[in-house]
Amino acid sequence: GIQVEQSPPDLILQEGANSTLRCNFSDSVNNLQWFHQNPWGQLINLFYIPSGTKQNGRLSATTVATERYSLLYISSSQTTDSGVYFCAVANTGTASKLTFGTGTRLQVTL
Amino acid sequence: DADVTQTPRNRITKTGKRIMLECSQTKGHDRMYWYRQDPGLGLRLIYYSFDVKDINKGEISDGYSVSRQAQAKFSLSLESAIPNQTALYFCATSDTGVPGELFFGEGSRLTVL
Repeated sequence: GIQVEQSPPDLILQEGANSTLRCNFSDSVNNLQWFHQNPWGQLINLFYIPSGTKQNGRLSATTVATERYSLLYISSSQTTDSGVYFCAVANTGTASKLTFGTGTRLQVTL
Repeated sequence: DADVTQTPRNRITKTGKRIMLECSQTKGHDRMYWYRQDPGLGLRLIYYSFDVKDINKGEISDGYSVSRQAQAKFSLSLESAIPNQTALYFCATSDTGVPGELFFGEGSRLTVL
């Protein structure tokens, strides 16, 4: 199956700083999603982005499918951005084959 | 109210007991999933269902069973719980077509003593 590697595994930022999270995958994909798990365990879908670039407020994501990686950008970080960010990929269009990475744990401090 | 609701949110049980986790959704999605999350790991798929008559095993189905009682309801059972089934369990839904974005419930934390 597809291997998914996320980096860095842990990240500590001061409020207001910017960050880039990376997701590398071992095969071609046509389904890639980014999720945020908050400190209370809730999982939120941030982006569906198998290719191209999307932006939602202070968050944006870029996937370069031909080079098998995706980047999640967080600008002007806030303490509410803390939590774990997961990348999940599949080489089919359906979510049933999604493989999750082990996540990047982000802590934003005052 | 949440679009995807899981009950119970927390449960402590003993080895050998039967436990059921329930999931209901108001998103109108046909597809429903059960995932397991262990500390430091990503999510792993236990079972998924594309409609009421369709049940499929995921990556780690041993020791689990599921029932799709209606389009909106999907339950996960541990027939005889064991300590290594202690984990955070998530129900999720997705729409029928592409892109298959996942929407998660709030999670059920299960501890097996």
